[in-house]
Amino acid sequence: KNEVEQSPQNLTAQEGEFITINCSYSVGISALHWLQQHPGGGIVSLFMLSSGKKKHGRLIATINIQEKHSSLHITASHPRDSAVYICAVDRDNTDKLIFGTGTRLQVFP
Amino acid sequence: NAGVTQTPKFRILKIGQSMTLQCTQDMNHNYMYWYRQDPGMGLKLIYYSVGAGITDKGEVPNGYNVSRSTTEDFPLRLELAAPSQTSVYFCASSYPGYEQFFGPGTRLTVL
Repeated sequence: KNEVEQSPQNLTAQEGEFITINCSYSVGISALHWLQQHPGGGIVSLFMLSSGKKKHGRLIATINIQEKHSSLHITASHPRDSAVYICAVDRDNTDKLIFGTGTRLQVFP
Repeated sequence: NAGVTQTPKFRILKIGQSMTLQCTQDMNHNYMYWYRQDPGMGLKLIYYSVGAGITDKGEVPNGYNVSRSTTEDFPLRLELAAPSQTSVYFCASSYPGYEQFFGPGTRLTVL
């Protein structure tokens, strides 16, 4: 079993829909990262969090340390949000990340 | 700032050949990383460095070597390339405890 599991693996949505991507992990962590991989392959960090909630524009990330679970929400989704969203955890405060396999999101107009 | 740059973007190698993937960052980050990404799999850490002169193995180091002679550069060396090393390679850098910045990737095929 992978230490970091994401669901769903694939997600399609209509423009304007509210999107939720989930990440569960089985180890103790010092931080959790959400990243976005564009269709062209580039990877960008979206959030790094160790507790609570963070918001940036239409993106919201939450984490529940007790339940070992994090969610990434996208409000008012847009076709430009189409990408692979990747969850990764830092297990021991060393910045050596363990990655999930990603959630492929497609948003249609 | 250019951020993290990688060269080459694409490369085809024959089995047994060697090559060096270059990575440079201009953000004065202490930490640098090399990852590989295989289809359907999460990124895997190959090697990392916490500063010039200091490197350590990650999850999948076999078949690779690194060096870190300057803060800016962190080249990845493949000796005796094998088909199993066909992958997309990403270099990243960060300050300790902060978000990682990724390069654009190198797509390597070993035939």
